[in-house]
Amino acid sequence: DAGVIQSPRHEVTEMGQEVTLRCKPISGHDYLFWYRQTMMRGLELLIYFNNNVPIDDSGMPEDRFSAKMPNASFSTLKIQPSEPRDSAVYFCASSLDYSPLHFGNGTRLTVT
Amino acid sequence: SQQGEEDPQALSIQEGENATMNCSYKTSINNLQWYRQNSGRGLVHLILIRSNEREKHSGRLRVTLDTSKKSSSLLITASRAADTASYFCATDLETSGSRLTFGEGTQLTVNP
Repeated sequence: DAGVIQSPRHEVTEMGQEVTLRCKPISGHDYLFWYRQTMMRGLELLIYFNNNVPIDDSGMPEDRFSAKMPNASFSTLKIQPSEPRDSAVYFCASSLDYSPLHFGNGTRLTVT
Repeated sequence: SQQGEEDPQALSIQEGENATMNCSYKTSINNLQWYRQNSGRGLVHLILIRSNEREKHSGRLRVTLDTSKKSSSLLITASRAADTASYFCATDLETSGSRLTFGEGTQLTVNP
């Protein structure tokens, strides 16, 4: 099993640009989570899906953030427009019956 | 303060010694989980303990749960340099649906 796959591993972009982060969960898992990790705020849950349906997006910081899961094997997290304060490591995780979580290796986003 | 607070924030020990990390939480849980994060990588699930369990073992790991004190501890015995990582507790709250809430972590350094 390849585990949760995230791309890109690193993303550097300028303020105002659109950023799209991608995630391929483990096959057969029915939950998918997007987390953000910063030194100041730790690990924050942004949104999670169950069977491709968004269940709780209360952690999404602003309307600039959106997430989709068009099918069971793919999800995206989009930031438009990006701002320097969005700089963080973004993790995708998947699970079967929501626990325990299997994390990808993250996307390190830097917005200049 | 934040649900799932680890103590200490940082711990430095010599190889072969035991390492103990603690986690406190505020509300009733379904289960509590411990994860490890190596630098630049995603979190890896270590062990899950349910609210009706008091102790659980996995290899060199021992986890205890005291629901009356709302606290848990993770003991790593005979530590190795490869155990150097950040360790997080995550609580699955009775009221949170499928959300896991992570603490801020303990940075463990095992010196060879």
